[in-house]
Amino acid sequence: EAEVAQSPRYKITEKSQAVAFWCDPISGHATLYWYRQILGQGPELLVQFQDESVVDDSQLPKDRFSAERLKGVDSTLKIQPAELGDSAMYLCASGDASGTDTQYFGPGTRLTVL
Amino acid sequence: AQSVTQLGSHVSVSEGALVLLRCNYSSSVPPYLFWYVQYPNQGLQLLLKYTTGATLVKGINGFEAEFKKSETSFHLTKPSAHMSDAAEYFCAVSSNFGNEKLTFGTGTRLTIIP
Repeated sequence: EAEVAQSPRYKITEKSQAVAFWCDPISGHATLYWYRQILGQGPELLVQFQDESVVDDSQLPKDRFSAERLKGVDSTLKIQPAELGDSAMYLCASGDASGTDTQYFGPGTRLTVL
Repeated sequence: AQSVTQLGSHVSVSEGALVLLRCNYSSSVPPYLFWYVQYPNQGLQLLLKYTTGATLVKGINGFEAEFKKSETSFHLTKPSAHMSDAAEYFCAVSSNFGNEKLTFGTGTRLTIIP
């Protein structure tokens, strides 16, 4: 069964450092989502791509966060500089355009900022 | 705008007992509704979803949910709890426009008592 891949699974960094997370969606999925899940809360959307285009980044803190999906396949989410409040699980999901509206989630990257 | 309220951040049931996790939603357009399960340090797995049609939806692992428009609810049930059901459960809503972001509730942690 095809899965969404994410790496790394865990990342520990110090504040003010740069971090990057990678996501490889299920093959053929045009839509890609990055969610942030703070401990004890539900995931919240950071950015949504349709192919290589950003559809929604209204909740992305653009002063420090950036996301790209250059060839419309895999995607990278970057934080620079990291702050203590960025400690969270970063989840990537992908969806096909068949109308099923099902989002398939990867295992996530657990970020700890010291 | 859409929102989800999950009543009860922690629910405990005995093994073999009925599981009932509550979810109420708010949406200005016809909603799509989802239940996801999350095990520790893992991504989210889809349990079931409602888009259109039959209001009683059956999912994996013996779970089901009923969409009640008049009550704006989508409660999750399972007749007989199993130890392996212990996890965090999230209710989510999106619009029926297709490929829309998910808005999640804050989650319910289900504990199974042997």
